[in-house]
Parts: sequence; C-alpha cells; structure tokens
Amino acid sequence: SQTIHQWPATLVQPVGSPLSLECTVEGTSNPNLYWYRQAAGRGLQLLFYSVGIGQISSEVPQNLSASRPQDRQFILSSKKLLLSDSGFYLCAWTPSGELFFGEGSRLTVL
Amino acid sequence: QKEVEQDPGPLSVPEGAIVSLNCTYSNSAFQYFMWYRQYSRKGPELLMYTYSSGNKEDGRFTAQVDKSSKYISLFIRDSQPSDSATYLCAMSDSGGGADGLTFGKGTHLIIQP
Repeated sequence: SQTIHQWPATLVQPVGSPLSLECTVEGTSNPNLYWYRQAAGRGLQLLFYSVGIGQISSEVPQNLSASRPQDRQFILSSKKLLLSDSGFYLCAWTPSGELFFGEGSRLTVL
Repeated sequence: QKEVEQDPGPLSVPEGAIVSLNCTYSNSAFQYFMWYRQYSRKGPELLMYTYSSGNKEDGRFTAQVDKSSKYISLFIRDSQPSDSATYLCAMSDSGGGADGLTFGKGTHLIIQP
C-alpha cells in the first residue's frame, strides 16, 4: 500500500532563517506531488505541484521554492523565512484525482 | 462570489444525532466531489470521492451531490464523539490532477457525549 511521510512534524524558526521540509511517498512510482499551506481561516492553499523529477509548477509567487530531486521525494524550501510563512504545511499525492495527504508540518516563525 | 462556500461552524450536536454538512459552489464544470475529515493538528483524510450527481454510501457516511443546485452534502448517521473534527469539501472539473482542486474552508464539527 502507498504511504506518505513528512518531516519534521513541528518546527519553530526565527525570521530570516532557512527552511527545508521533506516529503516522501512509498509504494508507488511517478506520483503527482503537491505542497499545500493551511493557515487559520484561510483554508488550503496550493503552493507547488510536480508531475515528475525536476518538474515544478508554482501556484502562488512567494518566499518559498520546491524541488523534486527524486521520483518520490518532494522538498519545500526557503532561503529566508518571513513571519507570514507560519502555517501548517501539507504534502499530498494523487493516483488519479483524489488527494492523499501526509500528516503535516507545523511551522512557527518568530 | 467565492467558488466554494462552506459554513465554518462550529456545529455542535449530541452523540447519536444525524449530522448534515454542506457546501455550495458556483462553477458548473465541477464533476468530481470529495469530503475530507481533518483532526486537530493532522493531515486531511479522504472520506468520500464521488463523480457527478447522486448518492454514495460508506458505512455511517453518505455523500450526496445535486449538480442542478450546485450543492453537496455529507451525512453522518449515529454520530460519535470520534467524529469530532473539521470536514472539508473539495471539488474539481477534471479527475486527472489536484492542481484544479478547489477546497472549502471546512466546517468544525463537535459531537457532544
């Protein structure tokens, strides 16, 4: 069966520090992968999606970037965090339209 | 007008009651409809996935789609305290990828023991 892993689960970072969130999917090959952010009162916001290695589409211009160095690995990064980057970050994958989410990474920027 | 509207709640009901959660939408091209359950500080979990109009039942859960009214519902029978969570609706005009998926903001449900 397929599973999706995200880490770290929780992190607290100072403004201006870098960020790296990782996501891996097991049990499938060439999945479509997604990064979402969920902020209080704002719902789920699609940040990036990838249909293959090195292929990244950005939905929202911002302080974040994504990379897909391997087939089942998706990384969300920032060089310098802003206060507004705080939120709950979710990785997801889809076999055919319906999304399956990871457990999420809660980021607090102070 | 927002594409998907969902009452944020909280909706509080006694244990054993039938719960009705709803979303309305404006895009008539939506054909694929999903309901997710999200516990606090956890990722959303897919509950129901339906295509076009009609009903779909899975245990205590029933998803209903009325495309003519642009209205979808999730019914929970014999509600349990463990059903307390935020319920998100989502919909898409194509089944091939989540880049076209639009989410509601979620309804916070509380089942009182």
